[in-house]
Amino acid sequence: GAGVSQSPSNKVTEKGKDVELRCDPISGHTALYWYRQRLGQGLEFLIYFQGNSAPDKSGLPSDRFSAERTGESVSTLTIQRTQQEDSAVYLCASSLPGLLAGGNEQFFGPGTRLTVL
Amino acid sequence: AQTVTQSQPEMSVQEAETVTLSCTYDTSESDYYLFWYKQPPSRQMILVIRQEAYKQQNATENRFSVNFQKAAKSFSLKISDSQLGDAAMYFCAYRTGANSKLTFGKGITLSVRP
Repeated sequence: GAGVSQSPSNKVTEKGKDVELRCDPISGHTALYWYRQRLGQGLEFLIYFQGNSAPDKSGLPSDRFSAERTGESVSTLTIQRTQQEDSAVYLCASSLPGLLAGGNEQFFGPGTRLTVL
Repeated sequence: AQTVTQSQPEMSVQEAETVTLSCTYDTSESDYYLFWYKQPPSRQMILVIRQEAYKQQNATENRFSVNFQKAAKSFSLKISDSQLGDAAMYFCAYRTGANSKLTFGKGITLSVRP
């Protein structure tokens, strides 16, 4: 079956512009996560959705970052007034819900590489 | 706060040999999960192996196995019979059941010499 898909694959933007990054999770995966990966670093958690609600937004670095999710489907991460420090790969992952949520595998998309000039 | 530490930024192994990647973590939780992910140049994160903290037996997946030392909060990955396709970045990650996010280490770049 289809895996997690993300678009665009690469995005180059000018400082100050707004960008939208899209994630399509695996069908039936109610849990969805956004992570950020700076060059040569590990992944940093941004936000977690269960269905269309976001019980954990603790990783969003500033109010320029927001995300929404339509039902148990597509999610969009929006970065307003982009800064050069926002340059990174943004990865989305999805997983099944359940009592063993801690152990459920997160399936990752290929990421969007964002470059802010 | 939970932290995951991978202190070796790079390692190299000869093809067909064995290599061990180190990871330590810090947590006050008693129930949690540990993971090793592989990230090749394609950027796709691939789950290599998973360990439940309540299990004493070390997880094994084909050529990949872990050495889980709960008291020492250590979780190393052993790759046996290394193959050229094993070359990638490897990330150690931690997760509790209550908090579904993954906390990652900084990763280690593994190169495999032919």
